[in-house]
Amino acid sequence: GAVVSQHPSRVICKSGTSVKIECRSLDFQATTMFWYRQFPKQSLMLMATSNEGSKATYEQGVEKDKFLINHASLTLSTLTVTSAHPEDSSFYICSIPTGSAGGYNEQFFGPGTRLTVL
Amino acid sequence: SQQGEEDPQALSIQEGENATMNCSYKTSINNLQWYRQNSGRGLVHLILIRSNEREKHSGRLRVTLDTSKKSSSLLITASRAADTASYFCATGGENMRFGAGTRLTVKP
Repeated sequence: GAVVSQHPSRVICKSGTSVKIECRSLDFQATTMFWYRQFPKQSLMLMATSNEGSKATYEQGVEKDKFLINHASLTLSTLTVTSAHPEDSSFYICSIPTGSAGGYNEQFFGPGTRLTVL
Repeated sequence: SQQGEEDPQALSIQEGENATMNCSYKTSINNLQWYRQNSGRGLVHLILIRSNEREKHSGRLRVTLDTSKKSSSLLITASRAADTASYFCATGGENMRFGAGTRLTVKP
């Protein structure tokens, strides 16, 4: 399966700053990547679908201007949390699905990024 | 939005016992997947069962799927302390949606 990395693994920032999280596919060309957010002891909530070379598709309730996604190449997608606030503190995870839109199969997940906003 | 619901939310058993977790979903699916997550880590894919399959095995894992009831179960046999983790089901197809998860604790 695909090997997925995320950077950084942990980040602590002050309220009002922006934080960029990278998701890299090390051995797989990913036209699609998913970004999830997970609060403690809760499930993964899909935030957006990142599409290489085009705009991301955001889930209902996710602010596209706050969570900027750039999928500039087949191996890299970035999520930027702009003007972060304490309520944005969470575990952010990216994944690469196999299959294609309309028929997704298993996903390969990155190790996650723990964001803490003070 | 959430798709599936796992049952139970938490399960505590002794090493050697079997653990059964259930998952229900709402929409039609192409497949259903089970994942494992150790605390504070990413998810690891365990097994995928397609909508035209009823049962699938992988090592100590056994997954069943009942599309008429929109439900699936994951059975871990002869559990080990290392199986302690959270287990999630996810529906595949047009969209990927995760259930709330079951936190499994296996006591040595």
